[in-house]
Amino acid sequence: AQSVSQHNHHVILSEAASLELGCNYSYGGTVNLFWYVQYPGQHLQLLLKYFSGDPLVKGIKGFEAEFIKSKFSFNLRKPSVQWSDTAEYFCAVSGGSSASKIIFGSGTRLSIRP
Amino acid sequence: EAGVAQSPRYKIIEKRQSVAFWCNPISGHATLYWYQQILGQGPKLLIQFQNNGVVDDSQLPKDRFSAERLKGVDSTLKIQPAKLEDSAVYLCASQRQAMGIYEQYFGPGTRLTVT
Repeated sequence: AQSVSQHNHHVILSEAASLELGCNYSYGGTVNLFWYVQYPGQHLQLLLKYFSGDPLVKGIKGFEAEFIKSKFSFNLRKPSVQWSDTAEYFCAVSGGSSASKIIFGSGTRLSIRP
Repeated sequence: EAGVAQSPRYKIIEKRQSVAFWCNPISGHATLYWYQQILGQGPKLLIQFQNNGVVDDSQLPKDRFSAERLKGVDSTLKIQPAKLEDSAVYLCASQRQAMGIYEQYFGPGTRLTVT
């Protein structure tokens, strides 16, 4: 069965610090990978996605993620965070015969100190 | 394009009462999902519709939860009777499919508090 692990439950950074949020998945076949973001009081929004091709994916607001197949990882990165990046971040996976079904990780809460 | 609409945004009920949530997906999206998001956790899929047919309801507690999408557009999710552990945000999402690529769009959710 598919599963997604996000090991960091709460990350606190200062503005301009670099960010890396870990995501590992468990699935043996071809996967589609996503990062969603939920800003305070807002709905879930797609940050970026990987389906195929270049394993380094660039998303909105300066975020990027790298798919490393050998490590079953899809970590989210941003070189310099801003206070407005304060949000909850969810990694998600879909794949195989259930390509339309997305499994979410438990989320990482990111707090940015101004 | 207009996003996924959900109502109500907030609902407070007592245990053993009934409640219903409504979702209107993005126009033209054939696939619709209901998720339950408990505080501190990621969204958990409850049910998936393709047009007006159920594709996956394996995680829906069918003794108390029901959902329908009669005309393949709007959908309602009902809980009867509610339990304290049903307190959560209920998210609706619709999906666009193009060239085998699936992308889900989420509504704002309904925050349910059961007292």
